[in-house]
Amino acid sequence: AQSVTQLGSHVSVSEGALVLLRCNYSSSVPPYLFWYVQYPNQGLQLLLKYTSAATLVKGINGFEAEFKKSETSFHLTKPSAHMSDAAEYFCAVTRLSGGYNKLIFGAGTRLAVHP
Amino acid sequence: DTEVTQTPKHLVMGMTNKKSLKCEQHMGHRAMYWYKQKAKKPPELMFVYSYEKLSINESVPSRFSPECPNSSLLNLHLHALQPEDSALYLCASSQEAWGTPYGYTFGSGTRLTVV
Repeated sequence: AQSVTQLGSHVSVSEGALVLLRCNYSSSVPPYLFWYVQYPNQGLQLLLKYTSAATLVKGINGFEAEFKKSETSFHLTKPSAHMSDAAEYFCAVTRLSGGYNKLIFGAGTRLAVHP
Repeated sequence: DTEVTQTPKHLVMGMTNKKSLKCEQHMGHRAMYWYKQKAKKPPELMFVYSYEKLSINESVPSRFSPECPNSSLLNLHLHALQPEDSALYLCASSQEAWGTPYGYTFGSGTRLTVV
């Protein structure tokens, strides 16, 4: 069954530094993969998605992720962190169950950005 | 319109009360979802509606009763809740409920507190 594992529940970076949030998936078939961001007391916003069209996916707010089948990874990166990037980030995968699609989330990574 | 709108944003209810959460989308999406998110945890799927019919119930207690009156509207009726049901309730929609590569669009949630 498809699932995702996010390595590191908390990541802290300096403003202007590289952001790297790790996500590994387990799937017997090429999955659909997503990154969502959640700001405090907000819903989830889609950052980007992998749907097998291209392995390097660009999203909103300067984020991108690379699908690496050999490593079963879909890590999220941003070259230069901004204070406004501080939030909770969820990697997610769709899982077919009983003919219906379920969006299954990883445990989340809280990103802190300090001056 | 590319939004999922949830009302109310905050709700405090007693354990003997009956209340309802409302979710609305006008994107023509044919699948709608309820998720429950406890503090510092990822969202967990509760219900899936596809073409206005309940497709998946993730063994949710009967004190939560979903309803989909039409393709744009999704309700969650609450009755005799427990304090441990306090959480952020998220509504989401997607174009279809199976095999969708497009991800879900989430609302901003209803913060429920049961006293």
